[in-house]
Amino acid sequence: EVQLVESGGGLVQPGGSLRLSCAASGFTFSSYEMNWVRQAPGKGLEWVSYISSSGSTIYYADSVKGRFTISRDNAKNSLYLQMNSLRAEDTAVYYCARDRIEDGAFDIWGQGTMVTVSS
Amino acid sequence: QPVLTQPTSLSASPGTSARFTCTLRSGFNVGTYTIYWYHQKPGSLPRYLLRYKSDSNKQQGSGVPSRFSGSKDASTNAGLLLISGLQSEDEADYYCAIWYSNTVVFGGGTRLTVL
Repeated sequence: EVQLVESGGGLVQPGGSLRLSCAASGFTFSSYEMNWVRQAPGKGLEWVSYISSSGSTIYYADSVKGRFTISRDNAKNSLYLQMNSLRAEDTAVYYCARDRIEDGAFDIWGQGTMVTVSS
Repeated sequence: QPVLTQPTSLSASPGTSARFTCTLRSGFNVGTYTIYWYHQKPGSLPRYLLRYKSDSNKQQGSGVPSRFSGSKDASTNAGLLLISGLQSEDEADYYCAIWYSNTVVFGGGTRLTVL
Protein backbone atom coordinates (compact mmCIF):
# COMPACT_ATOMS: atom_id res chain seq x y z
CA GLU A 1 0.00 0.00 0.00
CA VAL A 2 1.28 3.44 -0.93
CA GLN A 3 1.56 5.41 2.28
CA LEU A 4 3.02 8.54 3.83
CA VAL A 5 3.19 8.86 7.61
CA GLU A 6 4.19 12.12 9.27
CA SER A 7 5.56 12.44 12.78
CA GLY A 8 7.33 14.93 14.99
CA GLY A 9 4.59 17.44 15.62
CA GLY A 10 3.84 18.88 19.04
CA LEU A 11 3.72 21.97 21.22
CA VAL A 12 6.64 24.37 21.00
CA GLN A 13 7.23 27.88 22.30
CA PRO A 14 7.62 30.84 19.96
CA GLY A 15 11.19 31.01 18.73
CA GLY A 16 11.65 27.29 19.21
CA SER A 17 12.46 24.51 16.77
CA LEU A 18 10.88 21.29 15.64
CA ARG A 19 11.78 18.62 13.09
CA LEU A 20 9.04 16.85 11.18
CA SER A 21 9.50 13.51 9.47
CA CYS A 22 7.53 11.78 6.74
CA ALA A 23 8.05 8.05 6.22
CA ALA A 24 7.19 6.73 2.78
CA SER A 25 6.30 3.16 1.89
CA GLY A 26 4.77 1.19 -0.97
CA PHE A 27 6.51 3.08 -3.76
CA THR A 28 9.99 4.00 -5.00
CA PHE A 29 10.52 7.09 -2.87
CA SER A 30 13.68 8.15 -4.68
CA SER A 31 11.75 8.58 -7.94
CA TYR A 32 9.34 11.18 -6.61
CA GLU A 33 9.44 14.84 -5.80
CA MET A 34 7.98 15.71 -2.42
CA ASN A 35 6.31 18.66 -0.76
CA TRP A 36 5.15 19.93 2.59
CA VAL A 37 1.72 21.59 2.77
CA ARG A 38 0.18 23.02 5.92
CA GLN A 39 -3.30 23.92 7.10
CA ALA A 40 -3.91 26.29 9.98
CA PRO A 41 -6.92 25.46 12.18
CA GLY A 42 -10.11 26.20 10.27
CA LYS A 43 -8.18 27.56 7.29
CA GLY A 44 -7.26 26.43 3.80
CA LEU A 45 -4.22 24.69 2.39
CA GLU A 46 -0.88 26.51 2.17
CA TRP A 47 2.09 25.10 0.27
CA VAL A 48 5.31 25.24 2.32
CA SER A 49 8.18 23.62 0.44
CA TYR A 50 9.29 21.37 -2.43
CA ILE A 51 12.26 19.06 -2.91
CA SER A 52 13.24 17.24 -6.08
CA SER A 53 13.73 13.48 -6.18
CA SER A 54 17.50 13.77 -5.76
CA GLY A 55 17.29 16.63 -3.27
CA SER A 56 19.25 18.93 -5.54
CA THR A 57 16.41 21.41 -6.14
CA ILE A 58 14.48 23.03 -3.29
CA TYR A 59 11.84 25.75 -3.15
CA TYR A 60 10.14 27.50 -0.23
CA ALA A 61 7.13 29.69 0.34
CA ASP A 62 8.10 33.23 1.24
CA SER A 63 6.42 32.80 4.62
CA VAL A 64 8.96 30.18 5.74
CA LYS A 65 12.05 31.06 3.70
CA GLY A 66 15.13 31.35 5.89
CA ARG A 67 13.45 29.57 8.83
CA PHE A 68 12.48 26.15 7.46
CA THR A 69 14.70 23.58 5.76
CA ILE A 70 13.41 20.67 3.71
CA SER A 71 15.56 17.58 3.19
CA ARG A 72 15.26 13.92 2.35
CA ASP A 73 17.10 10.65 2.85
CA ASN A 74 16.28 8.35 -0.05
CA ALA A 75 18.09 5.44 1.63
CA LYS A 76 15.65 5.72 4.53
CA ASN A 77 12.60 6.59 2.39
CA SER A 78 12.13 9.69 4.49
CA LEU A 79 11.33 13.36 4.06
CA TYR A 80 12.08 15.99 6.70
CA LEU A 81 11.17 19.55 7.58
CA GLN A 82 13.41 21.37 10.04
CA MET A 83 11.48 24.32 11.45
CA ASN A 84 13.35 27.04 13.32
CA SER A 85 12.33 30.42 14.76
CA LEU A 86 8.76 29.22 15.00
CA ARG A 87 5.93 31.74 15.23
CA ALA A 88 2.33 31.51 16.34
CA GLU A 89 1.26 31.74 12.70
CA ASP A 90 3.13 28.50 11.95
CA THR A 91 0.53 26.63 14.00
CA ALA A 92 -1.02 24.14 11.60
CA VAL A 93 -1.39 20.55 10.53
CA TYR A 94 1.59 19.75 8.34
CA TYR A 95 1.09 17.28 5.50
CA CYS A 96 3.72 15.68 3.31
CA ALA A 97 2.55 15.11 -0.25
CA ARG A 98 3.96 13.09 -3.12
CA ASP A 99 4.42 15.05 -6.31
CA ARG A 100 4.24 13.39 -9.70
CA ILE A 101 7.16 14.52 -11.81
CA GLU A 102 5.19 14.21 -15.04
CA ASP A 103 2.51 16.71 -14.10
CA GLY A 104 3.04 18.22 -10.66
CA ALA A 105 -0.07 16.74 -9.07
CA PHE A 106 0.04 15.97 -5.36
CA ASP A 107 -1.39 12.49 -5.70
CA ILE A 108 -0.64 10.99 -2.29
CA TRP A 109 -0.95 12.79 1.06
CA GLY A 110 -0.06 11.79 4.57
CA GLN A 111 -2.52 12.04 7.44
CA GLY A 112 -0.73 15.09 8.82
CA THR A 113 0.99 16.06 12.07
CA MET A 114 -0.11 18.97 14.25
CA VAL A 115 2.32 21.71 15.20
CA THR A 116 1.24 24.20 17.86
CA VAL A 117 3.37 27.23 18.56
CA SER A 118 2.32 28.80 21.83
CA SER A 119 3.74 30.00 25.13
CA GLN B 1 -5.86 40.23 -4.23
CA PRO B 2 -5.10 36.50 -4.04
CA VAL B 3 -3.73 34.73 -7.10
CA LEU B 4 -6.62 32.22 -7.01
CA THR B 5 -10.08 33.17 -5.79
CA GLN B 6 -12.77 30.64 -4.94
CA PRO B 7 -16.26 31.27 -3.55
CA THR B 8 -16.39 30.30 0.11
CA SER B 9 -19.46 28.11 -0.20
CA LEU B 10 -21.72 26.30 -2.63
CA SER B 11 -24.95 24.41 -2.04
CA ALA B 12 -26.67 21.93 -4.31
CA SER B 13 -29.19 19.13 -4.09
CA PRO B 14 -28.47 15.42 -4.46
CA GLY B 15 -28.58 14.27 -8.06
CA THR B 16 -27.93 17.73 -9.47
CA SER B 17 -24.66 19.26 -10.62
CA ALA B 18 -22.20 21.57 -8.89
CA ARG B 19 -19.91 24.03 -10.64
CA PHE B 20 -16.87 25.31 -8.79
CA THR B 21 -14.96 28.32 -10.01
CA CYS B 22 -11.30 29.21 -9.49
CA THR B 23 -10.64 32.70 -10.80
CA LEU B 24 -7.10 33.76 -11.59
CA ARG B 25 -5.95 37.24 -10.70
CA SER B 26 -5.45 39.73 -13.48
CA GLY B 27 -2.09 39.13 -15.12
CA PHE B 28 -2.42 35.37 -14.82
CA ASN B 29 -3.85 33.90 -18.03
CA VAL B 30 -5.86 30.77 -17.24
CA GLY B 31 -4.91 29.33 -20.63
CA THR B 32 -1.29 29.17 -19.51
CA TYR B 33 -1.82 27.12 -16.37
CA THR B 34 -2.73 23.61 -15.41
CA ILE B 35 -5.43 23.78 -12.76
CA TYR B 36 -5.27 21.09 -10.07
CA TRP B 37 -8.31 20.21 -7.98
CA TYR B 38 -8.30 18.62 -4.54
CA HIS B 39 -10.99 17.97 -2.01
CA GLN B 40 -10.92 17.43 1.72
CA LYS B 41 -13.71 15.83 3.67
CA PRO B 42 -14.22 16.95 7.27
CA GLY B 43 -11.51 15.61 9.54
CA SER B 44 -9.69 13.91 6.69
CA LEU B 45 -6.62 14.49 4.58
CA PRO B 46 -6.73 16.20 1.17
CA ARG B 47 -7.25 14.05 -1.90
CA TYR B 48 -6.24 14.73 -5.49
CA LEU B 49 -9.18 14.81 -7.90
CA LEU B 50 -7.90 15.84 -11.31
CA ARG B 51 -5.89 18.30 -13.33
CA TYR B 52 -7.00 20.25 -16.38
CA LYS B 53 -5.05 22.36 -18.85
CA SER B 54 -7.03 21.71 -22.01
CA ASP B 55 -9.31 19.05 -23.45
CA SER B 56 -6.21 17.35 -24.85
CA ASN B 57 -4.19 17.75 -21.67
CA LYS B 58 -6.10 16.61 -18.63
CA GLN B 59 -5.97 13.74 -16.20
CA GLN B 60 -8.29 12.14 -13.69
CA GLY B 61 -6.94 11.10 -10.32
CA SER B 62 -6.76 7.42 -9.54
CA GLY B 63 -10.18 6.12 -8.59
CA VAL B 64 -11.89 9.47 -9.13
CA PRO B 65 -15.30 8.93 -10.78
CA SER B 66 -15.92 10.36 -14.24
CA ARG B 67 -18.72 12.53 -12.86
CA PHE B 68 -15.89 14.82 -11.70
CA SER B 69 -14.52 16.85 -14.61
CA GLY B 70 -12.48 19.94 -15.25
CA SER B 71 -12.67 22.75 -17.75
CA LYS B 72 -11.88 26.44 -18.17
CA ASP B 73 -13.80 29.61 -18.90
CA ALA B 74 -11.48 31.97 -20.73
CA SER B 75 -14.07 34.76 -20.65
CA THR B 76 -13.87 34.93 -16.86
CA ASN B 77 -10.26 33.71 -16.59
CA ALA B 78 -11.36 30.81 -14.41
CA GLY B 79 -10.72 27.14 -13.96
CA LEU B 80 -13.84 25.05 -13.39
CA LEU B 81 -14.61 21.82 -11.56
CA LEU B 82 -17.90 20.17 -12.44
CA ILE B 83 -19.51 17.43 -10.40
CA SER B 84 -22.57 15.75 -11.84
CA GLY B 85 -24.97 13.45 -10.04
CA LEU B 86 -24.16 14.91 -6.64
CA GLN B 87 -24.08 12.55 -3.69
CA SER B 88 -24.07 13.30 0.02
CA GLU B 89 -20.53 11.90 0.20
CA ASP B 90 -19.37 14.74 -2.07
CA GLU B 91 -19.72 17.18 0.83
CA ALA B 92 -16.22 18.53 1.32
CA ASP B 93 -13.95 21.51 0.88
CA TYR B 94 -12.70 21.85 -2.71
CA TYR B 95 -9.39 23.53 -3.49
CA CYS B 96 -7.85 24.58 -6.76
CA ALA B 97 -4.10 25.06 -7.21
CA ILE B 98 -1.52 26.07 -9.77
CA TRP B 99 2.25 25.88 -10.05
CA TYR B 100 3.59 29.40 -10.41
CA SER B 101 7.20 30.53 -10.38
CA ASN B 102 8.46 27.39 -8.62
CA THR B 103 5.79 27.58 -5.96
CA VAL B 104 2.34 26.11 -5.54
CA VAL B 105 -0.57 28.45 -4.96
CA PHE B 106 -3.82 27.15 -3.51
CA GLY B 107 -7.16 28.87 -3.70
CA GLY B 108 -8.97 29.56 -0.45
CA GLY B 109 -11.33 26.64 -0.97
CA THR B 110 -15.07 26.23 -1.52
CA ARG B 111 -17.20 24.30 0.95
CA LEU B 112 -19.80 22.17 -0.79
CA THR B 113 -23.01 21.41 1.06
CA VAL B 114 -25.26 18.76 -0.45
CA LEU B 115 -28.77 19.24 0.90
